Amino acid sequence: SAVISQKPSRDICQRGTSLTIQCQVDSQVTMMFWYRQQPGQSLTLIATANQGSEATYESGFVIDKFPISRPNLTFSTLTVSNMSPEDSSIYLCSVEGGAGSGETQYFGPGTRLLVL
Amino acid sequence: GNSVTQMEGPVTLSEEAFLTINCTYTATGYPSLFWYVQYPGEGLQLLLKATKADDKGSNKGFEATYRKETTSFHLEKGSVQVSDSAVYFCALLWGRRALTFGSGTRLQVQP
Repeated sequence: SAVISQKPSRDICQRGTSLTIQCQVDSQVTMMFWYRQQPGQSLTLIATANQGSEATYESGFVIDKFPISRPNLTFSTLTVSNMSPEDSSIYLCSVEGGAGSGETQYFGPGTRLLVL
Repeated sequence: GNSVTQMEGPVTLSEEAFLTINCTYTATGYPSLFWYVQYPGEGLQLLLKATKADDKGSNKGFEATYRKETTSFHLEKGSVQVSDSAVYFCALLWGRRALTFGSGTRLQVQP
């Protein structure tokens, strides 16, 4: 399995500002995923991040709003830019478990964001 | 495209009751299927999984069987506890490496 940490665990931000969320994994992984969970909702994939290439964004998500960095095989950041109250959500990163994990994906604890 | 449909919640049960949470899926091929659980204030944890038809995933007294003929992966537990109160998500993996999630089902177990 993979152990994933995220920073910050929670934050309260003012509209118009930006927040960068960090995701650290205890092993090297090829693909990292960023999801959003709006209040009371399911998880929606924002983008897939491969090391050394630009992230691939899902429909409805754009790089200007959610820029992602993937500088190495154990780390990624997601920035939520020019925030509005509609961005209040839990943001989760996940990774594949690697060989022998049977396609299992593991999730970080999430970053709880409240935008005022 | 891929999709997952779960029974709507919340589901409220008394302790030691039998639990079933229905999950059906649509996929163009043969996906891997997962149940994840989210306890209050926490992130997602993998509960169980099945990667091919007729496989049964099990963990912590929960079970789910991959039924290709009915495209289902229902979650069951024979005797729920208060500590099982959480949101349960059914998910599939097929055709790409990111999960497709159902809407989630909130389970509340009363003493």
